[in-house]
Amino acid sequence: AQTVTQSQPEMSVQEAETVTLSCTYDTSESDYYLFWYKQPPSRQMILVIRQEAYKQQNATENRFSVNFQKAAKSFSLKISDSQLGDAAMYFCAYRYNNNDMRFGAGTRLTVKP
Amino acid sequence: DGGITQSPKYLFRKEGQNVTLSCEQNLNHDAMYWYRQDPGQGLRLIYYSQIVNDFQKGDIAEGYSVSREKKESFPLTVTSAQKNPTAFYLCASSIGEGTRETQYFGPGTRLLVL
Repeated sequence: AQTVTQSQPEMSVQEAETVTLSCTYDTSESDYYLFWYKQPPSRQMILVIRQEAYKQQNATENRFSVNFQKAAKSFSLKISDSQLGDAAMYFCAYRYNNNDMRFGAGTRLTVKP
Repeated sequence: DGGITQSPKYLFRKEGQNVTLSCEQNLNHDAMYWYRQDPGQGLRLIYYSQIVNDFQKGDIAEGYSVSREKKESFPLTVTSAQKNPTAFYLCASSIGEGTRETQYFGPGTRLLVL
């Protein structure tokens, strides 16, 4: 079974600093998609960034970027110039077929002013 | 504005009672999903539907039922057979059934048992 592991239950970062959230996954598939979702206190899940496994180039979205290491099955999220509004739970997710999307347990990010 | 709405925001269930959670989307998405989120855990798939009048079980479908009579609507019923229903329920939708299609989420419903 495909699993997604987020080994950091909690992380904290100083405002304006950079933080990296870790994610590893287990799969025997070669074609799949990876996602990072943010869940603020409102609890709505918001897509942060996504990566196609067949693309070697790491995805970026403004201050958010990923380090995708396919051989190592690693998909970390880097947040640059952290802002107070970045404080949230962050979930890593993996999807390899139409209907099977697996989520990690989440990392709670605290941003200190 | 396009989006996904879920109602109610909070729902209370008495023992032995069935309750229904609403999910509506005006994004013209074909696929819709229901997830359950427990404290300290990620999301787990309950049911999904790729097209009107068709739906499939996810990982934890026992004690739940769904219908998909309209493209815009995908209500979830928590039956009395679900012995531990207290959780946060999230509805999602995506344009189609391809793996590349991103899922977008509603604001969620918190279900509590009295």
